[in-house]
Amino acid sequence: GAVVSQHPSWVICKSGTSVKIECRSLDFQATTMFWYRQFPKQSLMLMATSNEGSKATYEQGVEKDKFLINHASLTLSTLTVTSAHPEDSSFYICSASPPGQQETQYFGPGTRLLVL
Amino acid sequence: SQQGEEDPQALSIQEGENATMNCSYKTSINNLQWYRQNSGRGLVHLILIRSNEREKHSGRLRVTLDTSKKSSSLLITASRAADTASYFCATGEANSGYALNFGKGTSLLVTP
Repeated sequence: GAVVSQHPSWVICKSGTSVKIECRSLDFQATTMFWYRQFPKQSLMLMATSNEGSKATYEQGVEKDKFLINHASLTLSTLTVTSAHPEDSSFYICSASPPGQQETQYFGPGTRLLVL
Repeated sequence: SQQGEEDPQALSIQEGENATMNCSYKTSINNLQWYRQNSGRGLVHLILIRSNEREKHSGRLRVTLDTSKKSSSLLITASRAADTASYFCATGEANSGYALNFGKGTSLLVTP
């Protein structure tokens, strides 16, 4: 099946710093990737849709200046949490679909962010 | 926005028993999918059922969809301890491209 990777798998940072999370589709090209956030014992909430070569589409309530998304190639999308604060601590998960299989999303293993 | 609601929130059964989880949603959908998540891990796609389908099977999994009631169920038969995980339903909506809306999930514990 299709494989999606994320890097790093976990990160601890100080408040005020920026953190970049990478999402890669390893064996397929993805024009669209999705970024989700999951707080402990809660469900996944869609943050934004990352579109290759164009601006990301953000969900209501998600600050686009705080969560910068770049989808520079067909296999890589990055999410940068700028000026991170403790309330940004969460589990960030990306997903992507192979061409012709857009209904089924393959999820990365997630990145756990802890902001001190 | 989140629209799937799973029930129960938590379920504890013994190995060999069947586990049934339900999901309700609110809007028109293209499909409904079930995912599994082990603690602190990514999601694994289990099964997709389209809006024009009523039932689907995959191994020990059986999914039903009732679009008139806007509900779905996931049945895991002959459960195993390794089935312990959280299970989420997610809907693909007619007007939101391919983004998924996830329910709150059911936490399943299967004891030996």
